[in-house]
Amino acid sequence: KAGVTQTPRYLIKTRGQQVTLSCSPISGHRSVSWYQQTPGQGLQFLFEYFSETQRNKGNFPGRFSGRQFSNSRSEMNVSTLELGDSALYLCASSSGQAPSLTDTQYFGPGTRLTVL
Amino acid sequence: GDSVTQMEGPVTLSEEAFLTINCTYTATGYPSLFWYVQYPGEGLQLLLKATKADDKGSNKGFEATYRKETTSFHLEKGSVQVSDSAVYFCALSVKLNSGGYQKVTFGIGTKLQVIP
Repeated sequence: KAGVTQTPRYLIKTRGQQVTLSCSPISGHRSVSWYQQTPGQGLQFLFEYFSETQRNKGNFPGRFSGRQFSNSRSEMNVSTLELGDSALYLCASSSGQAPSLTDTQYFGPGTRLTVL
Repeated sequence: GDSVTQMEGPVTLSEEAFLTINCTYTATGYPSLFWYVQYPGEGLQLLLKATKADDKGSNKGFEATYRKETTSFHLEKGSVQVSDSAVYFCALSVKLNSGGYQKVTFGIGTKLQVIP
């Protein structure tokens, strides 16, 4: 079974631009979560999508948005980029099936975003 | 709210030394507990998990026991190798509703360096 894939792996943008990151979950998984990882803040939860609906959202400004398609693929968009948005963005998928208490998340390799 | 506390490190050990990385948590409800590992340049991989009190998760020589009375999930390995050098994340997952939605909270991550 193929793992979680993220594209692109690396991105360099300038301040004020916008960026779209893509995540393809493991086949059959319906839940996709996004995280921002930085050296200072660690791993911070952005949002989670399940069956094309956002189920939960972390404490990030509205410049960070996402969506999920009917095939469970997800995209994350960051508008008006700031220097502080430079980070590794990780996507994780899980089955999302109820009522499991052990719904393990499987992570992709991440997209390294650098904002200049 | 839910939280996971672990030392940031780095933890530096000689090859074949004994490893302990402490992890304590606070959570509403009855969490599942996880250890993830992130090798340089890669995303997170699930290392082991435990879903109820006194359960012991184990994988690749690593193990951790779910201790409800001390709210801890310490990671141990009897003899570390250079290839174990990575960042280790403790995490918890709490079921939020009958639909199976789970919220995952990560610790800051502990960097382990093993020297020959």
